[in-house]
Amino acid sequence: EVQLVESGGGLVQPGRSLRLSCAASGFTFDDYAMHWVRQTPGKGLEWVSSISWNSGSIGYADSVKGRFTISRDNAKNSLYLQMNSLRTEDMALYYCAKGGNGYNSAGFFDYWGQGTLVTVSS
Amino acid sequence: QSALTQPASVSGSPGQSITISCTGTISDVETYNLVSWYQQLPGKAPQLMIFEVTKRPSGVSNRFSGSKSGNTASLTISGLQPEDEADYYCCSYAGSSIYVFGTGTKVTAL
Repeated sequence: EVQLVESGGGLVQPGRSLRLSCAASGFTFDDYAMHWVRQTPGKGLEWVSSISWNSGSIGYADSVKGRFTISRDNAKNSLYLQMNSLRTEDMALYYCAKGGNGYNSAGFFDYWGQGTLVTVSS
Repeated sequence: QSALTQPASVSGSPGQSITISCTGTISDVETYNLVSWYQQLPGKAPQLMIFEVTKRPSGVSNRFSGSKSGNTASLTISGLQPEDEADYYCCSYAGSSIYVFGTGTKVTAL
């Protein structure tokens, strides 16, 4: 059974940093692209970042480019999101999602975690 | 990276068919056959309902179907049931490891 468990969320002041983690199990982690998607409470989904199976292809939403860094550790079956210079508009539930198209980072999201909440407030 | 456009809400009577549109641009929906649809029940994580425009994951009811014409993709729910009430989001690949979601549609079974 595929499981994705996010952690690392919490309350942080504007301008500070936070690192999210996603522990994956139930599939061969290094065979798939991975993604971060966020959702502001009561609002819609926003794609944040994607990383290919070997970290060779990475993409960011314009809203986070230059501030967020996605990475993965295939030996630890883990995905990360380093978030720097946080803004109030970054406050959201952050989901980790598994890519559904194998090695190809171009595809869709077939499994999602339950999310970790990031609150940005002074 | 502008959000794909979806109607805010769609409703129908149980048993009817409804269709949700998802309008993008030549940079996303029109160019790539990588449109997917997600159902989100209240308080839950999104669930994949359609991928690659028309394909259904195993376990998803065949009442759900997808299509695309030009820069607009569509999700059709046939035989609407009360348990289909949820928020639905489209998503398209836009090249260079970039994706864009739709604005979301609330489906109500009257």
